[in-house]
Amino acid sequence: DQQVKQNSPSLSVQEGRISILNCDYTNSMFDYFLWYKKYPAEGPTFLISISSIKDKNEDGRFTVFLNKSAKHLSLHIVPSQPGDSAVYFCAARELGTNAGKSTFGDGTTLTVKP
Amino acid sequence: EAGVAQSPRYKIIEKRQSVAFWCNPISGHATLYWYQQILGQGPKLLIQFQNNGVVDDSQLPKDRFSAERLKGVDSTLKIQPAKLEDSAVYLCASSLTLSNTGELFFGEGSRLTVL
Repeated sequence: DQQVKQNSPSLSVQEGRISILNCDYTNSMFDYFLWYKKYPAEGPTFLISISSIKDKNEDGRFTVFLNKSAKHLSLHIVPSQPGDSAVYFCAARELGTNAGKSTFGDGTTLTVKP
Repeated sequence: EAGVAQSPRYKIIEKRQSVAFWCNPISGHATLYWYQQILGQGPKLLIQFQNNGVVDDSQLPKDRFSAERLKGVDSTLKIQPAKLEDSAVYLCASSLTLSNTGELFFGEGSRLTVL
């Protein structure tokens, strides 16, 4: 049973437009949600996170929205740039879990076309 | 600040052979993780260490996988004997124990191909 799901394996957008990546989860005990970005042949790098007590967190061009009732979060990138082309992983951490054990979705490959 | 170091970057072996991967976490990070990432999937936790103690190894196939972190710094993940389905990227990550966000710092990974 996959507790974190990213239902869109890929997304293609035009440079300058908005990219919206979605993530659904099933475990109500998750208390922190994180997005990671991964380029080919590199490890994932942390992008942005949100606590379960918030519904929005913004960092420059990146905003994460959390809808707890729907168990859904989304990552918005505005404006999208070609350098944003990468695989984006949604991850969730369970309440009380010792520092950082996270469950990952299978990723969404974002392609930003010039 | 140096990142998480892993070696080797690539390894090709025959099934039933053995392989070992090494990881050096970021200095001061007490928590170390080994994740397995199969092509097309997200990283899946194999084992989590806090200093040199195991916190969670519930998803580690213990009949063939083993891991250690003897002095609470470097760690080694071993597979013996390897199976075809072990072909994956093995990611090492570390984190600050008291990090509120649980942000993980990943190495570049060790890509294993089992023939």
